[in-house]
Amino acid sequence: SQWGEENLQALSIQEGEDVTMNCSYKTYTTVVHWYRQDSGRGPALIILIRSNEREKRSGRLRATLDTSSQSSSLSITAAQCEDTAVYFCATAPGNTRKLIFGLGTTLQVQP
Amino acid sequence: EAAVTQSPRSKVAVTGGKVTLSCHQTNNHDYMYWYRQDTGHGLRLIHYSYVADSTEKGDIPDGYKASRPSQENFSLILELASLSQTAVYFCASSDGTGYEQYFGPGTRLTVL
Repeated sequence: SQWGEENLQALSIQEGEDVTMNCSYKTYTTVVHWYRQDSGRGPALIILIRSNEREKRSGRLRATLDTSSQSSSLSITAAQCEDTAVYFCATAPGNTRKLIFGLGTTLQVQP
Repeated sequence: EAAVTQSPRSKVAVTGGKVTLSCHQTNNHDYMYWYRQDTGHGLRLIHYSYVADSTEKGDIPDGYKASRPSQENFSLILELASLSQTAVYFCASSDGTGYEQYFGPGTRLTVL
């Protein structure tokens, strides 16, 4: 498998808390995608980080990428109920356009 | 905004029957993809295409065929549906410059 075991997990937090999701990958890549999937819908890209970026921010989202350890993280600051979703990391090994998805993290934000 | 539509949205098929899932995109994208999603497996790539009239095998192509008759349309064909092909199927498209893939709403297929 492309992915480490920590990629599949479920998290439940309270509204207003910060949360971090992690994933590790095994095959060389120059870009890590983070997708969000709402219930009953297809995944949607929320942030993309390249190997020359150690950190990328978008609103309350922050992604990091450590190419030496082949790991990436996605943090959400002050989570809100509408952040409830499944979050996937994905890579395109060898710079191909074939995405390999991790198993996902199910995030539940409680009011 | 990018638009990828899939039909049908839900289907029940019998084992051994033929199933065709359709995907249409209005993004003017060259690349199109078919994934399946199973609980605990994330999304896995079945077939993809980067130009009309040509398809490529993804990571799990066995039991599936694909057809790309035009830039806008991409079909997934299960010639002999099996129980193990019960899953949610997603179509996606992307352009030739960036990496972002735009996904359709999915088709829930149940094989009985």
